[in-house]
Amino acid sequence: DAGVTQSPTHLIKTRGQQVTLRCSPKSGHDTVSWYQQALGQGPQFIFQYYEEEERQRGNFPDRFSGHQYPNYSSELNVNALLLGDSALYLCASSPESTDISGNTIYFGEGSWLTVV
Amino acid sequence: AQTVTQSQPEMSVQEAETVTLSCTYDTSESNYYLFWYKQPPSRQMILVIRQEAYKQQNATENRFSVNFQKAAKSFSLKISDSQLGDTAMYFCAFKNYGGSQGNLIFGKGTKLSVKP
Repeated sequence: DAGVTQSPTHLIKTRGQQVTLRCSPKSGHDTVSWYQQALGQGPQFIFQYYEEEERQRGNFPDRFSGHQYPNYSSELNVNALLLGDSALYLCASSPESTDISGNTIYFGEGSWLTVV
Repeated sequence: AQTVTQSQPEMSVQEAETVTLSCTYDTSESNYYLFWYKQPPSRQMILVIRQEAYKQQNATENRFSVNFQKAAKSFSLKISDSQLGDTAMYFCAFKNYGGSQGNLIFGKGTKLSVKP
């Protein structure tokens, strides 16, 4: 049973460009959340998708957008990249139908984005 | 807004000894969950242990245990019989009870080094 998979693993972009990161949730999971982890910091919640809609959002500008597909996979898009967007982007998945305890939240290994 | 504070940026311990990582949090809620996550160099966030705020008994998972002091809003992690594989970043995280899954609030982390 594959866990949460993310792609690409690493990428380098130039300021002003746009980037798309992808996430496939763990089998049976229908809720996907995205986190940004800057170097030396803890992860910060960007947003969560459920039933193909953004359900909850953290304190991130509109340059950060996402999408969830019918197969529950998700994309994170960042427009007009800034140097400060350089970070590890983590995807986490969980099943909506179980309890809300949190030990069902699984993380991927992340995508390292460097903006130059 | 809830906050999580980890006051120890780095710690080290000798193999087979015991180490305690500190975490404090701030919330006005009475029901919530607390977690410790481990992030090794592979970057994948791995759940170590969790605690429900309504439970008075401290959670234990093999060599890992917590000291949950609700009134003091303190949630420390004790690692017994430390092993070289315990070397990693450790993050304390908070999650509200109820609402959608996945909105974890993380501290800045403690880098633990286990020395042979």
